[in-house]
Amino acid sequence: GEDVEQSLFLSVREGDSSVINCTYTDSSSTYLYWYKQEPGAGLQLLTYIFSNMDMKQDQRLTVLLNKKDKHLSLRIADTQTGDSAIYFCAETLPMDSSYKLIFGSGTRLLVRP
Amino acid sequence: NAGVTQTPKFQVLKTGQSMTLQCAQDMNHEYMSWYRQDPGMGLRLIHYSVGAGITDQGEVPNGYNVSRSTTEDFPLRLLLAAPSQTSVYFCASSPRLAGGYTDTQYFGPGTRLTVL
Repeated sequence: GEDVEQSLFLSVREGDSSVINCTYTDSSSTYLYWYKQEPGAGLQLLTYIFSNMDMKQDQRLTVLLNKKDKHLSLRIADTQTGDSAIYFCAETLPMDSSYKLIFGSGTRLLVRP
Repeated sequence: NAGVTQTPKFQVLKTGQSMTLQCAQDMNHEYMSWYRQDPGMGLRLIHYSVGAGITDQGEVPNGYNVSRSTTEDFPLRLLLAAPSQTSVYFCASSPRLAGGYTDTQYFGPGTRLTVL
């Protein structure tokens, strides 16, 4: 089946690293994404990783993918108060001639000063 | 580019009323979709379209209709609003790469709908 799971809440101190975890069930995923949603706003694509990659780094963001365990993580280095938001993990699944995006329920990150 | 725009931002309906949520994109994207976001849940796909004149059902299509007469616009219609449709609705669009897969979706700011 298709399921994407995330922990609901993470609290870190400003300047520390944050690690948000995600597990998924469908091994046919092609792309995996991390989206950020700030209060009252839409989703903003942060980064993505193709399923044949293990790691992707983009400035303060590091994405790790363990295909064997179907585990995806997002590490934010030097976390800032502006990073406080809800982070959604999502996977792309092929569907007929197109694809569909399956979202996790989101992890609320709170950065304490 | 304005990106993906949605109107209205907020709407309150009474049970049984109808309304249309508007979505437009100016990026010439082929693929457009509608999601709803409920508390404690991720986004769930309502309907999607892979191009003008083509629409299909997503995960939770009941109670909603869509049409895609142009590449730019993808309105979502609620014919008989119900309290269970109280939610935040997001429209998204993406380009379509060769092979049918794409690597990013662009989301609108959302419409917050309350059905009393």
